[in-house]
Amino acid sequence: AQTVTQSQPEMSVQEAETVTLSCTYDTSESDYYLFWYKQPPSRQMILVIRQEAYKQQNATENRFSVNFQKAAKSFSLKISDSQLGDAAMYFCAYRRGAQKLVFGQGTRLTINP
Amino acid sequence: GAVVSQHPSRVICKSGTSVKIECRSLDFQATTMFWYRQFPKQSLMLMATSNEGSKATYEQGVEKDKFLINHASLTLSTLTVTSAHPEDSSFYICSARPGQGGGNTIYFGEGSWLTVV
Repeated sequence: AQTVTQSQPEMSVQEAETVTLSCTYDTSESDYYLFWYKQPPSRQMILVIRQEAYKQQNATENRFSVNFQKAAKSFSLKISDSQLGDAAMYFCAYRRGAQKLVFGQGTRLTINP
Repeated sequence: GAVVSQHPSRVICKSGTSVKIECRSLDFQATTMFWYRQFPKQSLMLMATSNEGSKATYEQGVEKDKFLINHASLTLSTLTVTSAHPEDSSFYICSARPGQGGGNTIYFGEGSWLTVV
């Protein structure tokens, strides 16, 4: 079964600095999707970024980028120029095709002003 | 973007009663919907996958007779917590995936807080 592991329960960063959240996963498949979701205090799940496994190029969305290492099964999220509004729980997730999302345990990110 | 709406956002019910939570896809047809439960400071735990017109597939350890899921139309799935007990108090969140040709993105509802007293 696929598993997703986030080894950092909590992270903190100074406003305007850069922070990297770690995620590793286990799968025997070669074609799949990886996601980072943000869950602010409102509890709404917000898609931050997605990566298709067949693409070698790392996905980027404005201040958010990923470092996708397929062989190492690693999928880290880098947040540049951190803002107070980035404070939230961040979940890494895996999905194969149309199947269910498998979530990691989450990382709570605190932004220090 | 596509919108998934959950109702109610908060509900309080008495122990022993049943409570229904609705999940609606407002601007797309959702052939598959997923129901999650989230305990405080924990990740989302998938409870079941529902496909329109067929029985839901429950994850291991989830009581299907206690958590009834119905997906009778392409825009509505419901979760009914039967004979609710205080330990059922939790945050429940649904997500929906568009049908064929609707894209690969999964959209989440706003979630529903259930408190059983």
